[in-house]
Amino acid sequence: GDSVTQMEGPVTLSEEAFLTINCTYTATGYPSLFWYVQYPGEGLQLLLKATKADDKGSNKGFEATYRKETTSFHLEKGSVQVSDSAVYFCALESGNTPLVFGKGTRLSVIA
Amino acid sequence: EAGVAQSPRYKIIEKRQSVAFWCNPISGHATLYWYQQILGQGPKLLIQFQNNGVVDDSQLPKDRFSAERLKGVDSTLKIQPAKLEDSAVYLCASSRQGGRSYNEQFFGPGTRLTVL
Repeated sequence: GDSVTQMEGPVTLSEEAFLTINCTYTATGYPSLFWYVQYPGEGLQLLLKATKADDKGSNKGFEATYRKETTSFHLEKGSVQVSDSAVYFCALESGNTPLVFGKGTRLSVIA
Repeated sequence: EAGVAQSPRYKIIEKRQSVAFWCNPISGHATLYWYQQILGQGPKLLIQFQNNGVVDDSQLPKDRFSAERLKGVDSTLKIQPAKLEDSAVYLCASSRQGGRSYNEQFFGPGTRLTVL
């Protein structure tokens, strides 16, 4: 079945460092890809999405590009802030298949 | 616009007891989802409602879990009897409509269940 694999955390970075969280997927058909974020004490929020190959999703300085050839959707940010500390989930949706999430990557940014 | 509301936020019970969770989706959202998120894992869909009808409950352990969405608005998820492995965060989400095209899901804060 469809699945998502993302890098395990926790990831600890200093403020203004470059962030990459790797995500690869396995799916039949042509899935839509998502990054969700869960800030401490809050519910999951959609961070960005891409619905077809070569699309780039972006929001709040985060970016991810849908790479069909490598089945990847890596999350990047050029300069992280303490407020970016959260758990990040990569997810996919394909046709009538419900959202499938990765295990999540905890990011801690220290000042 | 108010977000998805869930209660209680935390619940501790002993195994073999019963528990119920409540969810109030965003007003006007036709589709409601219940997810189970075990520690260290991503959320897993338990059941999806479109209005008050079930769209997908293929991953719901029906011998102990049940859910209903009367009148197509609020929903309750029940576990009876609970097992140790049911310890998890139970997330409720809603979207404007389901179907083949993606409609953004908005998540509630979750209910953290601990089964002793």
